[in-house]
Amino acid sequence: LAKTTQPISMDSYEGQEVNITCSHNNIATNDYITWYQQFPSQGPRFIIQGYKTKVTNEVASLFIPADRKSSTLSLPRVSLSDTAVYYCLVVGPMNTGFQKLVFGTGTRLLVSP
Amino acid sequence: GAVVSQHPSWVICKSGTSVKIECRSLDFQATTMFWYRQFPKQSLMLMATSNEGSKATYEQGVEKDKFLINHASLTLSTLTVTSAHPEDSSFYICSAQGLASDTGELFFGEGSRLTVL
Repeated sequence: LAKTTQPISMDSYEGQEVNITCSHNNIATNDYITWYQQFPSQGPRFIIQGYKTKVTNEVASLFIPADRKSSTLSLPRVSLSDTAVYYCLVVGPMNTGFQKLVFGTGTRLLVSP
Repeated sequence: GAVVSQHPSWVICKSGTSVKIECRSLDFQATTMFWYRQFPKQSLMLMATSNEGSKATYEQGVEKDKFLINHASLTLSTLTVTSAHPEDSSFYICSAQGLASDTGELFFGEGSRLTVL
């Protein structure tokens, strides 16, 4: 499983765009990049997953360069409720039976008024 | 989306007693469930992988005799913390993957907070 590295914490203000970058230098050819969000005393919640280039959903965008050694989670116009810990994970190929997730340190995002 | 439910949400017990935490997949069948432990301000630590109808696979350093895992059906896995001690106080989270998870997405339970006095 590829190890991931991301900033321990980030601060932002309401309405700003937040970009959280994750490094995964040892990502394998068939691996996918997945981001989860966790609020205090709750289980993680899936945000977005991608393999290459750009993926966008109603919550966030995920940018993955051609070498796939890093990825950036982009949260447009954050609000106070986006204060949470964000985890970047590298997961094996889809439909491989099960996905064993190993969580790194995560990035603690604090959004202030 | 798929729902994974944990029960109880929180539990307080005396040192030396055993505590059982249930993890249920409510609207899908989960061939595999995972159990995590999370201490305050720390990341999730994978404890074990639970497969329906077979023995759980424990991560290095996790005592299988202390953390008993049973995955008796495709919708239920249980974690029993035996002879709990204050150092076992933690947030326990399960996750489940369906029979055909085409997105690779895992669904997590709400977590169970254990406090051992």
